[in-house]
Amino acid sequence: DVKVTQSSRYLVKRTGEKVFLECVQDMDHENMFWYRQDPGLGLRLIYFSYDVKMKEKGDIPEGYSVSREKKERFSLILESASTNQTSMYLCASSLTGKETQYFGPGTRLLVL
Amino acid sequence: SQQGEEDPQALSIQEGENATMNCSYKTSINNLQWYRQNSGRGLVHLILIRSNEREKHSGRLRVTLDTSKKSSSLLITASRAADTASYFCAARSPGGTSYGKLTFGQGTILTVHP
Repeated sequence: DVKVTQSSRYLVKRTGEKVFLECVQDMDHENMFWYRQDPGLGLRLIYFSYDVKMKEKGDIPEGYSVSREKKERFSLILESASTNQTSMYLCASSLTGKETQYFGPGTRLLVL
Repeated sequence: SQQGEEDPQALSIQEGENATMNCSYKTSINNLQWYRQNSGRGLVHLILIRSNEREKHSGRLRVTLDTSKKSSSLLITASRAADTASYFCAARSPGGTSYGKLTFGQGTILTVHP
């Protein structure tokens, strides 16, 4: 089974802090994605990566950056956390040529 | 704008009843997928229907796709309390890239009462 893990289930940070969210997948997937999920808005794509060191902006990249130094790991970085970044963050991965995305359990981030 | 929009936003039924959720999308698609999310967890892929298919079955799930109306429906038959979850449709737009970018709807919250 594909396993996607995220470094934290719950995280509380203060405004202005730099926040790192880590995602690791164990199935050698080329593609990795970061979404945020907010009530009434569904999932919105922040960034995705289709290869090591490659990244593409999603629909809402403002205030975020990403890093993919190794194939299995995709990090989401909030350079200076703000209260409007309080959300559920979901990581996913997929194999090129296959349509299914596999999701991690999510990180619920609260920015105070 | 949302590619997938779901209806209803919430659905409450009794165990044994069927549950139907609808999804509409705005532009052409390569395929449409349905995912399930248990409370506070990640999403799990349920079923995929391609743009040239009209109906697909998987166990108690039945998905239909009407590309002329840009809509899809997910039917769960003989529902169980364990089916209680949020259900999301996700549209895969056509294009030359292979990374499979999806656009998700807002989701339908299904509650199945024992």
